[in-house]
Amino acid sequence: DQQVKQNSPSLSVQEGRISILNCDYTNSMFDYFLWYKKYPAEGPTFLISISSIKDKNEDGRFTVFLNKSAKHLSLHIVPSQPGDSAVYFCASLAGNTGKLIFGQGTTLQVKP
Amino acid sequence: GAGVSQSPSNKVTEKGKDVELRCDPISGHTALYWYRQSLGQGLEFLIYFQGNSAPDKSGLPSDRFSAERTGGSVSTLTIQRTQQEDSAVYLCASSREVNEQFFGPGTRLTVL
Repeated sequence: DQQVKQNSPSLSVQEGRISILNCDYTNSMFDYFLWYKKYPAEGPTFLISISSIKDKNEDGRFTVFLNKSAKHLSLHIVPSQPGDSAVYFCASLAGNTGKLIFGQGTTLQVKP
Repeated sequence: GAGVSQSPSNKVTEKGKDVELRCDPISGHTALYWYRQSLGQGLEFLIYFQGNSAPDKSGLPSDRFSAERTGGSVSTLTIQRTQQEDSAVYLCASSREVNEQFFGPGTRLTVL
């Protein structure tokens, strides 16, 4: 009963190209989504978020797209850089406590 | 630094022993969260504090797990009679706003 799913455990792209990380959710009550980036031996760091009243949010090289009807969101990184290599977690805010429901993560490798 | 700190960074214990994990949140953050990440899994919510009270303990996996927070600041997660399946990275996060959590580096717990 995974409510937030990242079906691709890993992704490899060439430096300069676009990275697209995908995330699906099952609970239609979810209305706020976040992406976190995690390096080994460090805690996750907040990257970008989107509210369900929007379908796109952009911050520099990072853009998150939300398709509510499909219960799907994606993170686009362009151009990808080797320093972007990390594990990316999609998360949904559940209720008004701030509790986050995370996906399993996707390991991104950007090759020079 | 002014980030979330956790101690110890690593803890190895024998099955059946009790362990205490500590979290120092960012000063002024009223909300505090505990999550854990088991090998190959996403982050799993454990408990949420608002001030010193815990309105959401729904993620604690068993009654061997407990947590407290004192003075609206430091929190301690205690696991009694540890089992091998408790081995994971335990992450603490704090926030001022409900939609942006700052994570500590985690405590890696290994139960032999």
